[in-house]
Amino acid sequence: QVQLVQSGSELERPGASVTISCKASGYTFTNYGMNWVRQAPGQGLEWMGWINTNTGIPRYAQDFTGRFVFSSDISVSTAYLQISGLKAEDTAVYFCARRSTAAWGDFWGQGTLVTVSS
Amino acid sequence: DIVLTQSPVTLSSSPGERVTLSCRASQSVSSYLAWYQQKSGQAPRLLIYDASNRATGIPARFSGGGSGTDFTLTISSLEPEDFAVYYCQQRIYWPDTFGQGTKLEIK
Repeated sequence: QVQLVQSGSELERPGASVTISCKASGYTFTNYGMNWVRQAPGQGLEWMGWINTNTGIPRYAQDFTGRFVFSSDISVSTAYLQISGLKAEDTAVYFCARRSTAAWGDFWGQGTLVTVSS
Repeated sequence: DIVLTQSPVTLSSSPGERVTLSCRASQSVSSYLAWYQQKSGQAPRLLIYDASNRATGIPARFSGGGSGTDFTLTISSLEPEDFAVYYCQQRIYWPDTFGQGTKLEIK
């Protein structure tokens, strides 16, 4: 069965960097892209962008250019989200979601909580 | 960016009732709209895609309708496990956007 397993919670200082992993199983990794979605505490869903896992080419929503980097490693069927120059407002749960053939998020990881605090 | 406005913000209902949630787009998104369910502390789950297609494993009590700017998600008879937050999403215009959510709570 399709599974996306994300790395565990992170507590980071402002200005630091963090990398979240999303390991896929149960399907051919390169046949589907990977979406990334952010959810701040008590807030709604915010779409960050996606990475074409076949080509490795990422696309970012406007608010997520510069400090956010999507990458993937097909040898381990894993997608990554790196955030640099962390700010308090980056505190959120970050989800990966398989991008279905119709481009919707059909399977989701469990989410990774990133807390930025001094 | 396309703005999706969901209504109501909160809906109080009882098990067995029929409910309809609304999602309105700031401009036409054709049928490129999906609905997700999110329970507290969990990841979202895809319910409906392309406005009216149920995702794999989704019970038949969930149905989606509409096109253009006005969409609905109907739950024909509420089960206890249906009380959650529901989001719509469009993907026709870059970037994809989500609505702000409708919280479906037990009356």
